[in-house]
Amino acid sequence: DSGVTQTPKHLITATGQRVTLRCSPRSGDLSVYWYQQSLDQGLQFLIQYYNGEERAKGNILERFSAQQFPDLHSELNLSSLELGDSALYFCASSVAPLAGGQNEQFFGPGTRLTVL
Amino acid sequence: DAKTTQPNSMESNEEEPVHLPCNHSTISGTDYIHWYRQLPSQGPEYVIHGLTSNVNNRMASLAIAEDRKSSTLILHRATLRDAAVYYCILRDPRRARQLTFGSGTQLTVLP
Repeated sequence: DSGVTQTPKHLITATGQRVTLRCSPRSGDLSVYWYQQSLDQGLQFLIQYYNGEERAKGNILERFSAQQFPDLHSELNLSSLELGDSALYFCASSVAPLAGGQNEQFFGPGTRLTVL
Repeated sequence: DAKTTQPNSMESNEEEPVHLPCNHSTISGTDYIHWYRQLPSQGPEYVIHGLTSNVNNRMASLAIAEDRKSSTLILHRATLRDAAVYYCILRDPRRARQLTFGSGTQLTVLP
């Protein structure tokens, strides 16, 4: 158990809909990262927040957005869903924003999103 | 981030050592070498990291070549639970903060 929790575990929805994925980082971790894992693209970084502020952006679509709240939990919002958005979405946390190249990231169990 | 090259798959027998190679010929002087693994139906899990010297922890050992252009993750006694995809990742502390995953090595452990 990494200490990172994600809800829900599974989500099935239809095209065009909007969903929210939730992540609670490990106690004391200020940084939250979101990754998407699909069969054809592998694990891809989406976005990072550190203590409530956006710190880095990866291959995140404009239809996707995220935020980190004062209690440090984070939500990833996916809207106008398409079939290709079906994937595993992982949240990870770390103490600091990987300063020094050393800090490890702790990953949650993921949310499996299926868009029908 | 600099690129890494790993074999697509490897097999090992249970209770034998496993050496997982990673080539990173374009590594920069400040890149750290990180290893993560992903067990079936789970999120990635940190294994070990190093900069220049060999490193040991409770999970594995990391052997880094003197020129740093390659490294080897060593599992001393493979168990069935070690069957996973192993990712070798370079991290430049001056640049991107996220982890950039390649395709990794699928390790199969045979009983």
